[in-house]
Amino acid sequence: QLQLQESGSGLVKPSQTLSLTCAVSGGSISSGGYSWSWIRQPPGKGLEWIGYIYHSGSTYYNPSLKSRVTISVDRSKNQFSLKLSSVTAADTAVYYCARVHFYGDYLDNWGQGTLVTVSS
Amino acid sequence: EIVLTQSPGTLSLSPGERATLSCRASQSVSSSYLAWYQQKPGQAPRLLIYGASSRATGIPDRFSGSGSGTDFTLTISRLEPEDFAVYYCQQYGSSPPMITFGPGTKVDIK
Repeated sequence: QLQLQESGSGLVKPSQTLSLTCAVSGGSISSGGYSWSWIRQPPGKGLEWIGYIYHSGSTYYNPSLKSRVTISVDRSKNQFSLKLSSVTAADTAVYYCARVHFYGDYLDNWGQGTLVTVSS
Repeated sequence: EIVLTQSPGTLSLSPGERATLSCRASQSVSSSYLAWYQQKPGQAPRLLIYGASSRATGIPDRFSGSGSGTDFTLTISRLEPEDFAVYYCQQYGSSPPMITFGPGTKVDIK
């Protein structure tokens, strides 16, 4: 059974870079037919797609965050990562990683989420 | 960029009742790229429906999806106590490649 687990710093200072990793178990991140995505949810609010990385290594980002986001994959560790630079309080949210089914682009497996707070 | 609108914002119903949730897109969406999720407090979203009408693995048949073009519907035929949650629709657009979520509908106990 596929499992995804987010990890990283729960507290980031304003203007610094948020870094999170999603470890994938129960399946290979190199499997065809899927891409890997990050989504966030500010406290009490809705879901916002951040971006994803395709099996090919191509990346696509939410235009509203594109200038600050980098998603990368480490196939040797079966994990993928998120970096979000120049953070502000508005970036405080629960961050989720998820697997995206290639045909239909729906998110069929999610991590439990990790809260990241931006505060000095 | 396609914008999704969900209505109502909150739906207050009793167990056993039928719930009808709407998701409307600002422009036509391929049915293949419309999904629904359920989220309970403190939990990650869970995929319910993909391709507008296909139930995900393990989803009870009281959940059904329908619609096409710009109007999509999630129906819960008879609400169980565990169904009270927030429901999001989601679409994928290809120009540029992007995933968008609706603002959500909260189904709470009347």
